[in-house]
Amino acid sequence: RKEVEQDPGPFNVPEGATVAFNCTYSNSASQSFFWYRQDCRKEPKLLMSVYSSGNEDGRFTAQLNRASQYISLLIRDSKLSDSATYLCVVQGGSGNTGKLIFGQGTTLQVKP
Amino acid sequence: GAGVSQSPSNKVTEKGKDVELRCDPISGHTALYWYRQSLGQGLEFLIYFQGNSAPDKSGLPSDRFSAERTGGSVSTLTIQRTQQEDSAVYLCASSPGRHQETQYFGPGTRLLVL
Repeated sequence: RKEVEQDPGPFNVPEGATVAFNCTYSNSASQSFFWYRQDCRKEPKLLMSVYSSGNEDGRFTAQLNRASQYISLLIRDSKLSDSATYLCVVQGGSGNTGKLIFGQGTTLQVKP
Repeated sequence: GAGVSQSPSNKVTEKGKDVELRCDPISGHTALYWYRQSLGQGLEFLIYFQGNSAPDKSGLPSDRFSAERTGGSVSTLTIQRTQQEDSAVYLCASSPGRHQETQYFGPGTRLLVL
């Protein structure tokens, strides 16, 4: 079983749609959680950190459920420019040196 | 300021040859990570350097892979006797140094082993 699991998609949605991505992780000792965005043939870039209290950045809302070991990302009012692969990432845990553990990524394609 | 830089951006080599990949982290960042992204695979951790501490090599896939970090700055990832399965994008990331901090990625080196 992978340490971080995501539905690879692709998710094909029209502009303006709301789309949600989910992710589960297996290491209950994980300490930090992130969503990264990766455009085609580019490096990953941090989209947002994820906290148990939930956090919002404009059209993006991230949520962490530690009890269920579940992370989500909600994108409202999708734009064409949101088309990318979204990577669920966890960090930390016993003996961990800060390395990031990546999910396979969920591909989003926003269509006009 | 300048971000993480990597060179070369692309490398084509023949099976059995050695390759060296270079990473220049963000100035002042003491933590440096190497990751690999193979076609159809997620990013996987390879090795981590933090200051003068012994590196965490737990992600290196075989003893053909090694890395150095000289002077606490530039790092070189070396792959000896390359195999076709080594073909991937090799990404370097740096962070200020404490755990749980944002890692900033370089553009990667695309390695193709023929």
